[in-house]
Amino acid sequence: SQTIHQWPATLVQPVGSPLSLECTVEGTSNPNLYWYRQAAGRGLQLLFYSVGIGQISSEVPQNLSASRPQDRQFILSSKKLLLSDSGFYLCAWGTSNEQYFGPGTRLTVT
Amino acid sequence: AQSVTQPDIHITVSEGASLELRCNYSYGATPYLFWYVQSPGQGLQLLLKYFSGDTLVQGIKGFEAEFKRSQSSFNLRKPSVHWSDAAEYFCAVGATYNTDKLIFGTGTRLQVFP
Repeated sequence: SQTIHQWPATLVQPVGSPLSLECTVEGTSNPNLYWYRQAAGRGLQLLFYSVGIGQISSEVPQNLSASRPQDRQFILSSKKLLLSDSGFYLCAWGTSNEQYFGPGTRLTVT
Repeated sequence: AQSVTQPDIHITVSEGASLELRCNYSYGATPYLFWYVQSPGQGLQLLLKYFSGDTLVQGIKGFEAEFKRSQSSFNLRKPSVHWSDAAEYFCAVGATYNTDKLIFGTGTRLQVFP
C-alpha cells in the first residue's frame, strides 16, 4: 500500500532563516505531488505541484520554492522565512483524480 | 473559475443526532467532487468522491453525500453522529479537464456534544 511521509512534524524558525521540508512517498511510481499550506481558518492553498522529476508548477507567487530531485521525493524550501509563512504544510500525492495527504508539518515563524 | 463554498464555519451537534454539512461549487462542466476529513493536527483523509453515475455516494465511516446539479451542491450527511466524528471537514472540486488539481473550501469544524 502507499504511504506518504513528511518531516519534521513541527518546526519553529526565526524570521529570515532558511527552510527545508521534505515529503516522500512509498508504494507508487511517478505520482503527482503537491504542496499545500493551511492557514488558520483559511482552508487549503495549493502552493506547488509536480507531475515528474524536475517538473514544478507554482500556483502562488511567494518566497517559497519546491523541488523534486527524485520520483517520490518532494521538497519545499525557502531562503528567508517571513512571519506570514507560518502555517500547516501538507504534502499530497495523487493519481486517477484522487489525492492522498501526509500528516503535515506545523511551521511557526517567530 | 472554479470555486467551492462551505457556508458553515462551525457546526455543533449532539451525539446521535443527524448531520448535514453543506457544500456549493461553481464550475461550468461536470465536476469531480470530494469530501475530506481532518482531525486536529493531522493530514486529510478522503471520505468519499463523486465522478459520475449515481448521485448518492457512500463513503467511509458511515458518511454519504448527494450531488445535486440543479443546486450546484454536494452536501455531506450522516444519520447518527459519533463523538469521534468531531473534526474539520473539507469539500473539494476537481476539474474534469485538469484532474491534477483540487480546489478546496474553507472547511467546516464539527463539534459533537455527548
